[in-house]
Parts: sequence; structure tokens; C-alpha cells
Amino acid sequence: ETGVTQTPRHLVMGMTNKKSLKCEQHLGHNAMYWYKQSAKKPLELMFVYSLEERVENNSVPSRFSPECPNSSHLFLHLHTLQPEDSALYLCASSLGTSQETQYFGPGTRLLVL
Amino acid sequence: AQKVTQAQTEISVVEKEDVTLDCVYETRDTTYYLFWYKQPPSGELVFLIRRNSFDEQNEISGRYSWNFQKSTSSFNFTITASQVVDSAVYFCALSEWIYNQGGKLIFGQGTELSVKP
Repeated sequence: ETGVTQTPRHLVMGMTNKKSLKCEQHLGHNAMYWYKQSAKKPLELMFVYSLEERVENNSVPSRFSPECPNSSHLFLHLHTLQPEDSALYLCASSLGTSQETQYFGPGTRLLVL
Repeated sequence: AQKVTQAQTEISVVEKEDVTLDCVYETRDTTYYLFWYKQPPSGELVFLIRRNSFDEQNEISGRYSWNFQKSTSSFNFTITASQVVDSAVYFCALSEWIYNQGGKLIFGQGTELSVKP
């Protein structure tokens, strides 16, 4: 595998379910990101990790819980989501957080019923 | 505040036409970076270019070219002889530096380009 991979690619869940999104980067990068892309809205940065430490949390509701066990893997744990959380969730990585290029994964399309 | 504006929401052209996607940005930083990404229907954002604010030289890569004009705060993207495979949403982004947090990408709203055969 090369670049940034994300699983699953599609996910349908009920509001009471618990699920996790997984992201893996094969680029040797030190920073990883979660973005949310809703229809007709610009990309929203959710979380930033640098060397496995969270450096930014953009006032994201606690029903989204990130985890970065090492610099290659990033998870987004989901629980008790709302229908308005339905969106495309994109993971990205970069060499560092000093304005380097971010490389994105294919995203997970999430539908909350 | 940092801001990126892509005034064209949707553009439709016929194959082989040239098309220019506009991007205007606002920043108080003297050092910044500008980016273009392509998002095909599959969803993945594909990196196209990164440009340093001190480098105003225009860039050409195959059918793609970029025109950076610091005086008008614009970073426009032109596709020459467009093809159906160019159909996608294109995002312009500005990198903002935040003390203690590092760089943060500010995205425009995106321009949806449709190239018809």
C-alpha cells in the first residue's frame, strides 16, 4: 500500500452505534489530520496530531474521539452520532505541521440514520 | 483573518476548451503557502501544487498552469485543452501559521468543473 489509506470507505450507522474509522499513512510523515467535508461546505479541520500528540482540536463534539497510537495510524472513534454528522471524513498526513503539503486519503463516507 | 475565495461555484466547458479557475486569498502573513487540490468523484483530494509566497514565478505542468499575482492576492489555475477526466471539484487553499500549533490549511469553497465530451 502506498500513500494514505482509510477504512472503511463507506459506513452506515445508527445513532446508538459505536464505530471507528481507521487511517494509515505509508509516507513516513509525522503529522496526521482528520477533516470533515459536508455537502456544500468547505473542509473543516477536526483534529491534528504531531508525533502522536494532539496539537489542535477545533471544538469538535465529544462524540468524536481521536486516537493516534503511532505516527502511522490515526483513528476516529464515533459514538451516539447525529444525522447531521453524515459527511465525508478525510484523513491527511504531512511531514510536519510547519505548512508542509498535506496528502489525503480517499475518505470514509458516513451516513448516520 | 485568513480567507480563500473561489467565486466560481460551477464551471461547465466542452472538451478541448481552456478553462481558468479563480482563487483570491486574504492574509496578513508575509510568509505563506498556497495550494491547489483536485477532488474527483471518488472523494480523495489529490495534491496538485504548493507555492511559496516569495516565489511569484508562474508554473506549468503539462496541461496545467498556475498564475500567482501577489499584487492582487490571486493564485489562478488554468487547464489547457480540457479533458473529460479533468471533471472534478478543485480546491484552492492557504496555509496559515498559528503559534504553538503550526500550519493550518484554509480551504476555499471549491469550484466544480464539468468537462463535457
